[in-house]
Amino acid sequence: DAMVIQNPRYQVTQFGKPVTLSCSQTLNHNVMYWYQQKSSQAPKLLFHYYDKDFNNEADTPDNFQSRRPNTSFCFLDIRSPGLGDAAMYLCATSRDVAGGNEQFFGPGTRLTVL
Amino acid sequence: GQNIDQPTEMTATEGAIVQINCTYQTSGFNGLFWYQQHAGEAPTFLSYNVLDGLEEKGRFSSFLSRSKGYSYLLLKELQMKDSASYLCAVMDSNYQLIWGAGTKLIIKP
Repeated sequence: DAMVIQNPRYQVTQFGKPVTLSCSQTLNHNVMYWYQQKSSQAPKLLFHYYDKDFNNEADTPDNFQSRRPNTSFCFLDIRSPGLGDAAMYLCATSRDVAGGNEQFFGPGTRLTVL
Repeated sequence: GQNIDQPTEMTATEGAIVQINCTYQTSGFNGLFWYQQHAGEAPTFLSYNVLDGLEEKGRFSSFLSRSKGYSYLLLKELQMKDSASYLCAVMDSNYQLIWGAGTKLIIKP
């Protein structure tokens, strides 16, 4: 089945210790997104790629970086995690950015910062 | 600014009908999405409306009025598995999805 896969599902890191979250997709979609979602809040878009074209949200901290080495994979790097970065990180894909293109989400990675 | 408003929490009875409302103010409009999110899981797509009117899909229906900046999600014949958060999201003129915080729906037997 075509899908969006995220690894790991649960990640524990220490304050300030870099962490990388991964996402892969078998849908062959052009667009990949990274969201941060805290409990009972709306997902917050961090950045997205349209193919190799990187689009950063204006309020995404520099602490968050992303890489998309190929169509299938996308990585989220948190260079120095703080306690406030503990959240669910959701990867999503869509065929295109235009209206009507639903986003397909992976299961998420729940990040705990000690 | 852009914002999406939906009730924080609603309670309904198994077998009944519930309507979850969403009002929005965005820079432009390129469609409205409803997603379902069970606790600790990722959102899953339910519906998309871009024209005014009602879209029906099994037990779930979604309505849109662009002139009023309003949508609702109607769930019929409620089942316990429908207990989840329901997120309204609007695509603005830049094709960015503006998300609501979600409505937590609690189903009681």
